[in-house]
Amino acid sequence: IAGITQAPTSQILAAGRRMTLRCTQDMRHNAMYWYRQDLGLGLRLIHYSNTAGTTGKGEVPDGYSVSRANTDDFPLTLASAVPSQTSVYFCASSARDRGSPLHFGNGTRLTVT
Amino acid sequence: AQSVTQPDIHITVSEGASLELRCNYSYGATPYLFWYVQSPGQGLQLLLKYFSGDTLVQGIKGFEAEFKRSQSSFNLRKPSVHWSDAAEYFCAVGVNFGNEKLTFGTGTRLTIIP
Repeated sequence: IAGITQAPTSQILAAGRRMTLRCTQDMRHNAMYWYRQDLGLGLRLIHYSNTAGTTGKGEVPDGYSVSRANTDDFPLTLASAVPSQTSVYFCASSARDRGSPLHFGNGTRLTVT
Repeated sequence: AQSVTQPDIHITVSEGASLELRCNYSYGATPYLFWYVQSPGQGLQLLLKYFSGDTLVQGIKGFEAEFKRSQSSFNLRKPSVHWSDAAEYFCAVGVNFGNEKLTFGTGTRLTIIP
């Protein structure tokens, strides 16, 4: 079934540790996104990539980095995790056409202690 | 910059009753408008979208939404809810650029009672 795969499903991480959240899509979408979802705040964009080889900062990029070496993969790295990064992280993809809907993965629940 | 407001944090509806979830946006031109649904433990799924044309938009699962420019609203409706409609609903507004400019509302959690 075509879609987005995120790994891990959940993770408990000690503060100060490095962590990479994985995201793979098989829909050949040009654009990919990382959001965090926090209670009462909805979804906030962390980083995005409009095409392989390019990335951009979203609304809340601090403490996170991304890379886009190819069309299918868009990993999100926390270089040194802090408790405020406890959240549910969603990867999404879309065609590059204006107004194309987002397709979401099932999320990674991350707890930083 | 655009913004979107979902004024209802939580709504409880009896099964079989009608439903309306409110969404108001702020943007100087006609935006792209979306409703997404999120079931527990899942990612968001597109219900419907409005770009232009007919202001009444039909979506999946029996949902519809009406774009009202004069009220800057895009309310989601369903004539008769089912227990499986219990979920979180997000309104989103996009502008004439890519999805990196998409703004989500804070969501409305829908509870269905028998």
